[in-house]
Amino acid sequence: KQEVTQIPAALSVPEGENLVLNCSFTDSAIYNLQWFRQDPGKGLTSLLLIQSSQREQTSGRLNASLDKSSGRSTLYIAASQPGDSATYLCAMYSGGGADGLTFGKGTHLIIQP
Amino acid sequence: DAGVIQSPRHEVTEMGQEVTLRCKPISGHDYLFWYRQTMMRGLELLIYFNNNVPIDDSGMPEDRFSAKMPNASFSTLKIQPSEPRDSAVYFCASSFSTPLAGFSNQPQHFGDGTRLSIL
Repeated sequence: KQEVTQIPAALSVPEGENLVLNCSFTDSAIYNLQWFRQDPGKGLTSLLLIQSSQREQTSGRLNASLDKSSGRSTLYIAASQPGDSATYLCAMYSGGGADGLTFGKGTHLIIQP
Repeated sequence: DAGVIQSPRHEVTEMGQEVTLRCKPISGHDYLFWYRQTMMRGLELLIYFNNNVPIDDSGMPEDRFSAKMPNASFSTLKIQPSEPRDSAVYFCASSFSTPLAGFSNQPQHFGDGTRLSIL
């Protein structure tokens, strides 16, 4: 069974810093990996999706990388802003027949103005 | 295009009552998923449908939980009877396709969730 760990569970940094959020997984046989953002009382917004054949994806100030062999993905946020404050979740499709996402518990990010 | 729409946004009810959560997926999406989010366990898949047919309900915690999808634009998740430990945020998500169907580039789109409190 796939297990997903996100470290740190919470992070607080001053505005303007570059930061890295980490996601590790136990089963490298994944089809794709998604990074989501969740704002309080809201649903999940898909930020980036990396297919298993890809190494990274970029969108604006966000860059996500995938290293299946080591079971790791990182989300890099450049020049952080207070509006980036949210919980960030990684999730993946794995094998085993189940066709849904397996989620980590998220990193709660606070960007201090 | 409208996103995934869930109702109600909040539900507070007493133990033993029947609860029905509703979801309208994005038009054209063939897959619909129900997830539950708790502080202890995070987000967990409960059940998913393909073309209105339930495919995998192994995540449904007990027989008290049931889900239906009578047509391509509507799904319900029902809890009867409800218990305090069912309190959580329930999310519905939809996607055009999935990796097992041959498409690994299709993201899931989530609704805003239903926050359920069972007293």
